[in-house]
Amino acid sequence: GAGVSQSPSNKVTEKGKDVELRCDPISGHTALYWYRQSLGQGLEFLIYFQGNSAPDKSGLPSDRFSAERTGGSVSTLTIQRTQQEDSAVYLCASSPRTDYNSPLHFGNGTRLTVT
Amino acid sequence: DAKTTQPNSMESNEEEPVHLPCNHSTISGTDYIHWYRQLPSQGPEYVIHGLTSNVNNRMASLAIAEDRKSSTLILHRATLRDAAVYYCILINAGNNRKLIWGLGTSLAVNP
Repeated sequence: GAGVSQSPSNKVTEKGKDVELRCDPISGHTALYWYRQSLGQGLEFLIYFQGNSAPDKSGLPSDRFSAERTGGSVSTLTIQRTQQEDSAVYLCASSPRTDYNSPLHFGNGTRLTVT
Repeated sequence: DAKTTQPNSMESNEEEPVHLPCNHSTISGTDYIHWYRQLPSQGPEYVIHGLTSNVNNRMASLAIAEDRKSSTLILHRATLRDAAVYYCILINAGNNRKLIWGLGTSLAVNP
């Protein structure tokens, strides 16, 4: 079946511009996660959704970052006034639930480059 | 949150078994041990997980030490497609959102 889909796969933007990154999770998955991976680094947690609500926003690096999820499905991560340090691969994952026994299914990410 | 320690890199020959170690000396009783792998230009892919007993699936085996302070991911016959970064992470009911991901082990497979 269809996996987690992220778009665009690559995004180059100028410093100061806003960007929107989209994630389509696996159908029926209630939990959705956003992570960021800088070059040569491990994954950094940003935010997760249970349904349409985001119980934990503590990983968002600054108030320039926001995310929403609608209809318990598609999620959008928005970065306003992008900075060069925002350059990274942004990964989305979904799972049927949030418990410890539920593996995460990842998309292939959006590679964001801020020039 | 409990952390894991893995070697930065390992090398194997095709068709040979590979044992990827992971240390998690501060693991708690409710932490599950999960393994993911990440191929170049892709998102991480779930491999296997376990709590106390050894586990087998079509991809790999997971051997967990009796004291649970270490574990080993076993690829029984490495193929070139197994070249990836392998991550060992701990997940419990309270933290599976934030998962602490280290740098993993970069596995090279020689033909």
